[in-house]
This record gives sequence, structure tokens and C-alpha cells, in this order.
Amino acid sequence: SAVISQKPSRDICQRGTSLTIQCQVDSQVTMMFWYRQQPGQSLTLIATANQGSEATYESGFVIDKFPISRPNLTFSTLTVSNMSPEDSSIYLCSVVIYPYEQYFGPGTRLTVT
Amino acid sequence: GENVEQHPSTLSVQEGDSAVIKCTYSDSASNYFPWYKQELGKGPQLIIDIRSNVGEKKDQRIAVTLNKTAKHFSLHITETQPEDSAVYFCAASGNTNAGKSTFGDGTTLTVKP
Repeated sequence: SAVISQKPSRDICQRGTSLTIQCQVDSQVTMMFWYRQQPGQSLTLIATANQGSEATYESGFVIDKFPISRPNLTFSTLTVSNMSPEDSSIYLCSVVIYPYEQYFGPGTRLTVT
Repeated sequence: GENVEQHPSTLSVQEGDSAVIKCTYSDSASNYFPWYKQELGKGPQLIIDIRSNVGEKKDQRIAVTLNKTAKHFSLHITETQPEDSAVYFCAASGNTNAGKSTFGDGTTLTVKP
């Protein structure tokens, strides 16, 4: 298994500002992912965070809006840029422990006013 | 791409009864099927998973069954307890997209004492 922590746990932000979310894992993992969960909805994959290379984004998500860093095998950040109320969601960091098991962090609850 | 449908969206049972949640998937290449429990204010917690080379897996009061031919899998919870109340998500992924799971829409389970 994996223990994942995220910072901040929640935040209330003003429209037009940016927020950087941090994800820390207790062991080295190759595969890290960022998901979004809108209120009362299911989980949607934003991007795969690759160590040593650029993140890979899913359809509907772009690097300018959601820049991601992956400086090492235990840490990643997701920035939500130029926020609007539609960005109000739970943002979840996730890792895969070989070969398939996928674990999630506690989430960052973002409210944009 | 993969499409996962989950039913029912809400389920209410009496304490001690059994609960069954069903999911269907569309991509025959999917071979890993996890179930997650998400309590209010928390991230999804992996509770059980099954791979396509087995038909059933049990862990104490929970079990998962898989029918590859029909492309459906189910979560069974026996002797339900109030602490089982949560939102349950099924998911599907394959060898080439581990971590890029497609999730069902979730089932809100309420166990009445």
C-alpha cells in the first residue's frame, strides 16, 4: 500500500488567482496521477505526472490551466491557474503500486469565489 | 475508450442485511477492477479488487465477482453495519493504462441501524 498526504486539505480562493496543491508519498513510485472530483460526481483523470518528463494530460485538460511538476519519485504538485468558480472541486493525488493497485490521497477541497 | 456504468445510484438497507452494487464495462481489454469506499470528507479508499483471471474474491464481509463474458462485476457486502455507509465507486483499467482508471458514477449506501 501507500500513504499519501496532500496540502492544503482545503482552501477558499478568489477568482483569477492560482493555487498549488502538493502531494507527498511515503515511498518511491513511478506512476502518479491527478484526478478531479466535482461536487457529488465521480472521479475524472486530469493528467499523469511523469518524473523527469512533462505531464501527460487527458482530453479537456491543458498544461496552461493545470501545470504539474514531478521533481522526484515521492512528490508532485498540481497548480490550478486563473481560477473560476467552475474549478471548485476536490483534487486528488493518486499512485499505482506495481502492477495495478491504485491508491488515493485525502484530497484538496477547493472553493473558488 | 472505456465506459463503466454503476447501479444503483443509491441503496438503503437495514443493518445486518446484504448490499449488492453492480457495474458493467465496455472495453474487453480491461483486466483490473477495483472498488473504492469514500466517506464524507475523505479520499477514495481501496477496499477490494479483482483481476480478470479470477471469478470471485472475498475479504471478510466483502466480496467481488467478475463475469468477463458479460463484462460485469459486482460488490457484495454481507452483515452490513452503519459504518459501511459511504459512497462506493467501481473502476476498470488495463495493462496499458494502469492508474488511468475509468470510474463508475458511484453508489451512496446507507445502512440504517
